[in-house]
Amino acid sequence: DQQVKQNSPSLSVQEGRISILNCDYTNSMFDYFLWYKKYPAEGPTFLISISSIKDKNEDGRFTVFLNKSAKHLSLHIVPSQPGDSAVYFCAASVNTDKLIFGTGTRLQVFP
Amino acid sequence: KAGVTQTPRYLIKTRGQQVTLSCSPISGHRSVSWYQQTPGQGLQFLFEYFSETQRNKGNFPGRFSGRQFSNSRSEMNVSTLELGDSALYLCASSSTLAAGSYEQYFGPGTRLTVT
Repeated sequence: DQQVKQNSPSLSVQEGRISILNCDYTNSMFDYFLWYKKYPAEGPTFLISISSIKDKNEDGRFTVFLNKSAKHLSLHIVPSQPGDSAVYFCAASVNTDKLIFGTGTRLQVFP
Repeated sequence: KAGVTQTPRYLIKTRGQQVTLSCSPISGHRSVSWYQQTPGQGLQFLFEYFSETQRNKGNFPGRFSGRQFSNSRSEMNVSTLELGDSALYLCASSSTLAAGSYEQYFGPGTRLTVT
């Protein structure tokens, strides 16, 4: 049972435009959400997180939105840059328990 | 500050053998988690150790085991290897008591191939 789902395996965006990566979850008990970025041959690196008591968190070009009623999480990257090309994973946890990861979305930013 | 290191980076084993992977967390981090990454499955949680105690465990068979030493270094062991164990094994460390509520810092992973 995949509790965290990233239904788009890939996304292609032009440089300078907005990238929107989506994540859906089924467990309403999740109270903390994170986004990670992964380059080939490297481990994932933490990007941004959000607690379930918030609906938005911003860090530079990265903004995460949480819609609890829809059990939906999204990551916005504005403006997108070629260096953003990577695989993005969303993750969630319940009461500081283990992280549950999605299957990832491969973002390609082209010039 | 040095990051999370994992050794070896690449490993080829034969079905039925056993393997031990090593992880050194960031200095001062006491929580170490292990994940298996396979194509299409994302990162699957294996287990988490904190202060030499296993605090959490994922849904993997008993062939997968781990331990943590007093210096927070951790090892993961897989016995009786199967072809399906071929994957990237990632280790992550965290400075907080609760690994799920704060960001984890990942190592580069060990690529295990079982033939």
